[in-house]
Formats: sequence, C-alpha cells, structure tokens
Amino acid sequence: GENVEQHPSTLSVQEGDSAVIKCTYSDSASNYFPWYKQELGKGPQLIIDIRSNVGEKKDQRIAVTLNKTAKHFSLHITETQPEDSAVYFCAASTSNTGNQFYFGTGTSLTVIP
Amino acid sequence: GAVVSQHPSWVICKSGTSVKIECRSLDFQATTMFWYRQFPKQSLMLMATSNEGSKATYEQGVEKDKFLINHASLTLSTLTVTSAHPEDSSFYICSARTPMNTEAFFGQGTRLTVV
Repeated sequence: GENVEQHPSTLSVQEGDSAVIKCTYSDSASNYFPWYKQELGKGPQLIIDIRSNVGEKKDQRIAVTLNKTAKHFSLHITETQPEDSAVYFCAASTSNTGNQFYFGTGTSLTVIP
Repeated sequence: GAVVSQHPSWVICKSGTSVKIECRSLDFQATTMFWYRQFPKQSLMLMATSNEGSKATYEQGVEKDKFLINHASLTLSTLTVTSAHPEDSSFYICSARTPMNTEAFFGQGTRLTVV
C-alpha cells in the first residue's frame, strides 16, 4: 500500500517568513495530493491540492510543488501570519472517489508574532 | 468548497452505553464516506470505508461489531460506538469525496468522552 512520510514534525517561523513542509510517497499510482490544515478541535480543512499532470500550483500565499519522478511534494507558505499556526497534513490518493487518502504524520506550524 | 456536516461536535457518555455520530454531505452525493479516528497530536487513522447501500469495509484491527457503520443514503453515514468504554474516548472524523473533482472534505469532528 501507499506510505506517506512528512517532515518536519514541528516548525516554528517568524511572522513574515516562509514555511516549507515536505512529503514523500511510495505508490506511483497515486495521482492526487491534497494538503489539509487542522486547527485544534476541528476537522481538517482542504487548503490546496495538486494532481499529477502539473508540477506546481499556487493560491495567494500558498503553493504546492510536485516531483512525480522523485515521488515528493511540498507545501510552501509565504509571508506567514499568526493565523497560519496549525497542524498541516499532506495526503496521497488516486482520483477514484472510492479510494482512501493516505495521510502524512502532520506538521505543527507555529508562526511567532 | 463542498460541505460535510458532522454531529454532534462533542458527546460525553457513560461506560457501557452506545453513541451515534452522524455525517452528512450537504451539497453533493457521496457514494463513499470515510471514518477516521485521531488521537492527540497524531495523524488520522482510517477506521472504515462506508459504502452506500452495502456493508462497510473495516481496516485491520477495527472491531466491526463495536463500531457500527450505516450508509443508508447518498448523503448520510452514521457511526455507532456500541458499549463504549473509556479507551474509546477519541476524536472521530468523517470525510467524503466529491464525485466531480474527487476532493475530500471533512466533517468538524466529534470529541467522544466515555466516563
């Protein structure tokens, strides 16, 4: 089955700096890679995703890159703000709606004002 | 994005009783829903895949007689924790994938405390 690894487990940055979280996956059949933000006591919220036919996607301060050959993808947050502090999870799956997501172990991001 | 609503958001029950958690997809039909359990500071652990009109598929190690899943319609799946014990206390989350874009959206989660 799929195995998703995520690093780092914790990350602290100064407000305004950039944050990068990296994930690797093992199954070459995976072709859909979402990122989720989870605040304390809440369910994960989809913040950005990328499919295997593109290498990069950007949405305002958030961007995701995908290297399908190396089987790794990364989340980039620029100009970080205190409200970005949360736990971030990467995931991998196929586009089949019946297939589960395989999650990384999470990164706890703290943005220091 | 699409909306998945989970209810209740928290529940406290006595040991030995049963608790039902509902998961609804509000603006799309979900033939498949997923139920997760999350321990503090850990990732999401898939418990079972809920299939509309058929039996759920449980992950290894998950007791199907304890965690009853019913997916009676395309917009509703329920998880019933039967004869709950303190070790069942956890954060339970459901999710569903949209049929068009196959994105997955999550419910708000349910904090279950068994006393």
